[in-house]
Amino acid sequence: EVQLVESGGGLVQPGGSLRLSCSASGFTLSNYAMHWVRQVPGKGLEYVSAINNDGTRTYYGVSVKGRFTISRDISKNTLYLQMNSLRDEDTAVYYCVRRLPGTSNFDNWGQGTLVTVSS
Amino acid sequence: QSALTQPASVSGSPGQSITISCTGTSSDVGGYKYVSWYQQHPGKAPKLMIYDVSNRPSGISDRFSGSKSGNTASLTISGLQAEDEADYYCSSYTSSDTLYVFGTGTRVTVL
Repeated sequence: EVQLVESGGGLVQPGGSLRLSCSASGFTLSNYAMHWVRQVPGKGLEYVSAINNDGTRTYYGVSVKGRFTISRDISKNTLYLQMNSLRDEDTAVYYCVRRLPGTSNFDNWGQGTLVTVSS
Repeated sequence: QSALTQPASVSGSPGQSITISCTGTSSDVGGYKYVSWYQQHPGKAPKLMIYDVSNRPSGISDRFSGSKSGNTASLTISGLQAEDEADYYCSSYTSSDTLYVFGTGTRVTVL
């Protein structure tokens, strides 16, 4: 069974850092593109970052570019999102999502982890 | 990259059909076949309903169908049921740095 489990969310002060993890099971990360998507409670969805299936390319939304870094550890089958210089507006539920390469088939989503940036 | 435009709300009676539009530009919806649709119930993660404009994942009811014309994609729900009441988001590949962009979201209400 395919499963994505996010962890690492919590309360952090503005300007602080946090690293999210997404543990994948039932499939191998190297066969899929992986994305981070966030949602401010009560608001819409926003693509945050992505890494392609062979790990050679990364992508970032305008609002997080230069502050967030996506990475993965194939040996642990785990995806990461390092978030630095956090702002109030980064407060959201962060979802880990897998996508079949060459398609818009985002077929599996994690349950999400809440990040709250507040003093 | 601006979000794709969806109507804020759409409603229908049980058994009716409704259509949700998703309008973008030639740099996203109009330029690629990579449009997908998601259903989200309160407190839950989004669920893929349609990918690559009109393909249904395994297990998704054939009451859900997708199409595209020019810069506008559409999701049609036929035979509306109470459990279809949810938020729906479209998404498209985009030539911008973000790779993909979401729509603004549509609240579907079953009357």
